[in-house]
Amino acid sequence: EPEVTQTPSHQVTQMGQEVILRCVPISNHLYFYWYRQILGQKVEFLVSFYNNEISEKSEIFDDQFSVERPDGSNFTLKIRSTKLEDSAMYFCASSGLAGGFVQYFGPGTRLLVL
Amino acid sequence: AQSVAQPEDQVNVAEGNPLTVKCTYSVSGNPYLFWYVQYPNRGLQFLLKYITGDNLVKGSYGFEAEFNKSQTSFHLKKPSALVSDSALYFCAVRPADKLIFGTGTRLQVFP
Repeated sequence: EPEVTQTPSHQVTQMGQEVILRCVPISNHLYFYWYRQILGQKVEFLVSFYNNEISEKSEIFDDQFSVERPDGSNFTLKIRSTKLEDSAMYFCASSGLAGGFVQYFGPGTRLLVL
Repeated sequence: AQSVAQPEDQVNVAEGNPLTVKCTYSVSGNPYLFWYVQYPNRGLQFLLKYITGDNLVKGSYGFEAEFNKSQTSFHLKKPSALVSDSALYFCAVRPADKLIFGTGTRLQVFP
């Protein structure tokens, strides 16, 4: 069964550093998403991406964040200058045209900003 | 404002007993509704969805959910709980493109 994969599983970085979180969505999916979950809190939407552009973003997704689909398989989230409060689990998700637009999630990347 | 409420932080049930995990939502229009499960150190795993049609929807691992439009609820149910069902359960609503999640309910099934 196809799955969404994410790398790395864990990332530790210093405040102010740039990080890139990588995702490989399910191959025939066209809609891509990033969510985050701060420890002990609920899952929050960051951004959705379709047809090589952002379709919706939350207020969390400020100028420090960017997304890219650099090739036909990868979908990346870049945080330019990390802050302590960016520490969270980041989930990538993808969905296709069929099946009621169910979003399938990857296992997540745990980001720790020191 | 669009929101999802899961009023119980934790639900405890004995193995073999029926379980219910509650969810209510507040969103305009006719949203799509979902349940996801999260096991420790894992991602969110899709369980079931309601789009339209029959108010009782069946999903993975014997779970089902009942959509009640008048009460704006979408409670998750299972007739007979298993210890392996112990996990964190999230209700979500999709009013447009994004998913809006509830705060999650931890289900603990005791042997």
